Amino acid sequence: DAGITQSPRYKITETGRQVTLMCHQTWSHSYMFWYRQDLGHGLRLIYYSAAADITDKGEVPDGYVVSRSKTENFPLTLESATRSQTSVYFCASIGGKTEAFFGQGTRLTVV
Amino acid sequence: DQQVKQNSPSLSVQEGRISILNCDYTNSMFDYFLWYKKYPAEGPTFLISISSIKDKNEDGRFTVFLNKSAKHLSLHIVPSQPGDSAVYFCAERGGNTPLVFGKGTRLSVIA
Repeated sequence: DAGITQSPRYKITETGRQVTLMCHQTWSHSYMFWYRQDLGHGLRLIYYSAAADITDKGEVPDGYVVSRSKTENFPLTLESATRSQTSVYFCASIGGKTEAFFGQGTRLTVV
Repeated sequence: DQQVKQNSPSLSVQEGRISILNCDYTNSMFDYFLWYKKYPAEGPTFLISISSIKDKNEDGRFTVFLNKSAKHLSLHIVPSQPGDSAVYFCAERGGNTPLVFGKGTRLSVIA
């Protein structure tokens, strides 16, 4: 299916565990982004990537790692999960047009 | 400091009436302004946008107004329908920078 997909949709993990959220887009868009949504904070940028092998920090990057070895994939890794990382995570991409397209989100709970 | 502010966390409107959602920004370098709509358990979806060289853009029931001197953006929905009930995010972008989002406004359209 064309579009942008995230996996898993739901994840429960324990404090201190490493967890990776996957994001895959089929459009070959150059730009990809990771946002987290929290009550009272809206959508905050974690990391973004302008192209394969190019990544940059956003507003709230601490505790997260990203990679972009292929244009279509942009995984987000929590190296040692903390309860403050409980959130809904959204991946997005932008191609030639300016509007970003979002995945359906991953709800992560850290217990 | 927040670059994009949506000062109303929530708004209730009767069906058939006009809904007006507001957004203020601080960065004069933004050149593209967007509105996204988000339903629970789904990713944000693009609604309408406006370039900084325009002051109005219309798409069906949705109209976005841009007042650059006041650094103010608004979304008008006329007539409002129950299916419009969602969280609305304004977002801004300058050049190749990532989208910067406001905290969102929850719109409830009452039948």
